[in-house]
Amino acid sequence: DTEVTQTPKHLVMGMTNKKSLKCEQHMGHRAMYWYKQKAKKPPELMFVYSYEKLSINESVPSRFSPECPNSSLLNLHLHALQPEDSALYLCASSQESPGQGRVYEQYFGPGTRLTVT
Amino acid sequence: GQNIDQPTEMTATEGAIVQINCTYQTSGFNGLFWYQQHAGEAPTFLSYNVLDGLEEKGRFSSFLSRSKGYSYLLLKELQMKDSASYLCAVPLWSGGYNKLIFGAGTRLAVHP
Repeated sequence: DTEVTQTPKHLVMGMTNKKSLKCEQHMGHRAMYWYKQKAKKPPELMFVYSYEKLSINESVPSRFSPECPNSSLLNLHLHALQPEDSALYLCASSQESPGQGRVYEQYFGPGTRLTVT
Repeated sequence: GQNIDQPTEMTATEGAIVQINCTYQTSGFNGLFWYQQHAGEAPTFLSYNVLDGLEEKGRFSSFLSRSKGYSYLLLKELQMKDSASYLCAVPLWSGGYNKLIFGAGTRLAVHP
């Protein structure tokens, strides 16, 4: 099973709303990622969790708040977003932490298409 | 830093062969990935090359030349379902971790 699941598939929220994106994997992967992807652009890394600890924050605005409740789950809490935050938000996981040594392939979920009005 | 270049768009005919090139400049090298992404869907892993040479996986093959900073993805016996974006990606070592940096992607259109 190489499946990463994400909910919801679509989300429309106002700039004053608070919402959360959820991601789950049951492959026993030790690293999980959040990416943001705008139309016709490549994915851009936002956060990396390695062994349930935040390892990388790519200077993401604080209106995006990640959380890793356990090794299988990853959340992204959203608050006071801007229209320019509208994008496809992708979750991914990899077998091991992206540290030194071999770099493992990442498996992506189907994404949440977010629209901020 | 990283610099990754791919052609923006390519077209090809069903049943044909197409080669998608990727050139990269990196301060260190820890392999190169190819991903396929259909419109509105998640990227799916195709290949990982860390040593020079050609690796074949069914209709898809990936080639790497580390000395030239060059890779290509070769798609044979093209099918309509191969119409997608193909993303070349290399890890960037930063802050104690490898971050995957994607090229802009090559949009491939396969026509009958």
